[in-house]
Amino acid sequence: AQSVTQLGSHVSVSEGALVLLRCNYSSSVPPYLFWYVQYPNQGLQLLLKYTSAATLVKGINGFEAEFKKSETSFHLTKPSAHMSDAAEYFCAVTPGGDSSYKLIFGSGTRLLVRP
Amino acid sequence: ETGVTQSPTHLIKTRGQQVTLRCSSQSGHNTVSWYQQALGQGPQFIFQYYREEENGRGNFPPRFSGLQFPNYSSELNVNALELDDSALYLCASSLPSGNYNEQFFGPGTRLTVL
Repeated sequence: AQSVTQLGSHVSVSEGALVLLRCNYSSSVPPYLFWYVQYPNQGLQLLLKYTSAATLVKGINGFEAEFKKSETSFHLTKPSAHMSDAAEYFCAVTPGGDSSYKLIFGSGTRLLVRP
Repeated sequence: ETGVTQSPTHLIKTRGQQVTLRCSSQSGHNTVSWYQQALGQGPQFIFQYYREEENGRGNFPPRFSGLQFPNYSSELNVNALELDDSALYLCASSLPSGNYNEQFFGPGTRLTVL
């Protein structure tokens, strides 16, 4: 069965520091992968997506992620954290095939940005 | 272009009651998915509707049911509410596109069951 694991329920960085949020997936077919961000009391906003084109994906707000098939990973990075990046981040996978209609989410990582 | 909207924003019910949540899809989108997000967890897929038919269902009991209307808006109905049904319910709309499934989410309805 497909699944997503996000290592670290909380990540704390200083403003200006590198942001690294980890995501590993399990999928028996080539997946489509997504990162979503959720600000307090809001829905989910798509940051970026991998759809089997370039393995390095650039998204909004300076975020990017690299698909590494050998490591089954899709980690999210940003070179320099900003206070406005503080939010909950979710990695998700679309399994493809007959189950292509649903997104399977990880449990989320809360990013805290220290001044 | 109008995004995904949901109503109501917040709702309080008591155990055993029934609730209906509503969702209007983004303009041009004919597929609607519903997710349940319990506190501190990631969203869990409930079901999806495409052209007024259920197009897939997650691991939720039959007391969770839905409808999609000709204008692609949708309802989520939950009968016999339980305390564990307390959650943020998210609606997402999309275009059917094979294996590529970019979904656009609404702000959610916060349901509290007492």
